[in-house]
Amino acid sequence: AQKVTQAQTEISVVEKEDVTLDCVYETRDTTYYLFWYKQPPSGELVFLIRRNSFDEQNEISGRYSWNFQKSTSSFNFTITASQVVDSAVYFCALSGLNSGSRLTFGEGTQLTVNP
Amino acid sequence: DVKVTQSSRYLVKRTGEKVFLECVQDMDHENMFWYRQDPGLGLRLIYFSYDVKMKEKGDIPEGYSVSREKKERFSLILESASTNQTSMYLCASSLLASGIIYNEQFFGPGTRLTVL
Repeated sequence: AQKVTQAQTEISVVEKEDVTLDCVYETRDTTYYLFWYKQPPSGELVFLIRRNSFDEQNEISGRYSWNFQKSTSSFNFTITASQVVDSAVYFCALSGLNSGSRLTFGEGTQLTVNP
Repeated sequence: DVKVTQSSRYLVKRTGEKVFLECVQDMDHENMFWYRQDPGLGLRLIYFSYDVKMKEKGDIPEGYSVSREKKERFSLILESASTNQTSMYLCASSLLASGIIYNEQFFGPGTRLTVL
């Protein structure tokens, strides 16, 4: 069985603050993929990043960075110098090699960035 | 750009009605998925399909059925809508996973269904 936990239901920050969204996962698969999606108020989920279990290098894309740590089964997402446009619901998701193409999603974290 | 479209953004139906939610993708993806999204529960998989006329149950298939007659179209059917099916429904598509390469899913804008 797979499980993804996003313990932070809601986070509120002021613009330009850094914010980290936590994601903890469980899987018995040795090969798996982790994802982050953003869901703005318009409703459509937007793919942000995919990471496979063999690649523990941290990744940076502009103001976004991701910290993957297999030892703690975590895949945390940091937004540096947050902006109002970052306000959205963010989902972490997992797919194990033995689960085919199925994704298991976390509960989501509502991020509000205030001006 | 991958485009996944859903037939309605908002839908209001009455208890007991048969409801069809349509999803179309234009990128020749093999896989298509239907999720429902509820506050505090994230996205839960209802059904998915990896080929025409093929379907597999997800985590919460009860009360739903699906149809995939053409590769680009995946329909979700509520045979007899009930109030507990009031939710946001999201469709997604992806390429078939190949070896250890897993492909991300692309989502439509969602249909907010209210059952009265």
